[in-house]
Amino acid sequence: DGGITQSPKYLFRKEGQNVTLSCEQNLNHDAMYWYRQDPGQGLRLIYYSQIVNDFQKGDIAEGYSVSREKKESFPLTVTSAQKNPTAFYLCASTQDRGLVLANGYTFGSGTRLTVV
Amino acid sequence: ILNVEQSPQSLHVQEGDSTNFTCSFPSSNFYALHWYRWETAKSPEALFVMTLNGDEKKKGRISATLNTKEGYSYLYIKGSQPEDSATYLCAFISGTSYGKLTFGQGTILTVHP
Repeated sequence: DGGITQSPKYLFRKEGQNVTLSCEQNLNHDAMYWYRQDPGQGLRLIYYSQIVNDFQKGDIAEGYSVSREKKESFPLTVTSAQKNPTAFYLCASTQDRGLVLANGYTFGSGTRLTVV
Repeated sequence: ILNVEQSPQSLHVQEGDSTNFTCSFPSSNFYALHWYRWETAKSPEALFVMTLNGDEKKKGRISATLNTKEGYSYLYIKGSQPEDSATYLCAFISGTSYGKLTFGQGTILTVHP
């Protein structure tokens, strides 16, 4: 079945360490997104990519980095520069790069990152 | 950053009750409004994508309306069931946010048997 796989489900990191969250899709979608969720807040966009080898910063990109070397993969690195990295991270994709994203997003099941 | 507000933040209803909640968004430069349902331990799933003022969409017992001129959308659930318990997210696309969704904080619905 086609879908988005995020791994791992839970991740613990020591303060000062970089960590990479995996997002893989087999839907042949062009566009991929990383969002962060904090308690009481909406999903906030970190980075997005609409095509291979290209990506743009979202609203809260500071302290994060991404790559898009393959269509199916969009890993997110949480660097030591991210001041408050403990959060739930969701990856999404869509086949639609049009104005309204008429097919909506397909989401992964998320990774919960805890800094200890 | 665009402001998308959802109310109420949480809602408890009894099985069989009908309920509704609101999503407010900037009315200028509107492109689309999305609704998603996010059940615990699962991935969010798209419910509706709405683009036209006055749009009404329906999926089973769930329906949504859209008013782009005043900047709001309502989601209605008729005869709530325990399996409707979830967080309902709305998300907005404008001309300045091309190709990406801006989400509200969600409404958490709990339906008690």
